[in-house]
Amino acid sequence: ETGVTQTPRHLVMGMTNKKSLKCEQHLGHNAMYWYKQSAKKPLELMFVYNFKEQTENNSVPSRFSPECPNSSHLFLHLHTLQPEDSALYLCASSQDRVDPGQVVGNTIYFGEGSWLTVV
Amino acid sequence: QKEVEQNSGPLSVPEGAIASLNCTYSDRGSQSFFWYRQYSGKSPELIMFIYSNGDKEDGRFTAQLNKASQYVSLLIRDSQPSDSATYLCAVNQYSSASKIIFGSGTRLSIRP
Repeated sequence: ETGVTQTPRHLVMGMTNKKSLKCEQHLGHNAMYWYKQSAKKPLELMFVYNFKEQTENNSVPSRFSPECPNSSHLFLHLHTLQPEDSALYLCASSQDRVDPGQVVGNTIYFGEGSWLTVV
Repeated sequence: QKEVEQNSGPLSVPEGAIASLNCTYSDRGSQSFFWYRQYSGKSPELIMFIYSNGDKEDGRFTAQLNKASQYVSLLIRDSQPSDSATYLCAVNQYSSASKIIFGSGTRLSIRP
């Protein structure tokens, strides 16, 4: 079993649909992330949760709604998306550290991603 | 200026040669540095991380960090066709992983 699992791996949805992406981490980490990867663009951080609390929202449109019920699970609820939202959505986790100078343990591990196509 | 810059490539290297991938970053206070490999259609996987100036070796991979020049590189010795992928440089500006900034990646192609 991989450390970070995502479902579904592929999703095609219409612009009026509502769907959700699910992520589960089995690494005992306390931080979870959603990233978006579009063609020929750098990875874009969308949301960060640390101990279930949202700590980052990088100006993501409200049609993307995250949910983190516990430190092991993360969801991304999708509604009324646009074709330009088609991308690879990556979930990740880390054993985050917030103490200054304490860099060990903040490596991000990615899930296999969910390919989203909006038609 | 982009926060983390990489040449997009493609970088073509003959099999068995050394592949050299470079990355520069803008924040002088950056603390930790990561290299990820991403095969086409797959998610990024961590290859190495480095925190201190100098070289860090792991098998065929060597990461090099020069904080004064704000430069980090990845060397791949004895390149294999299976090394063909996009390599992402990531820089952590603080001790929190939420501040990791990714470059856009360098596409590496190993020709037989």
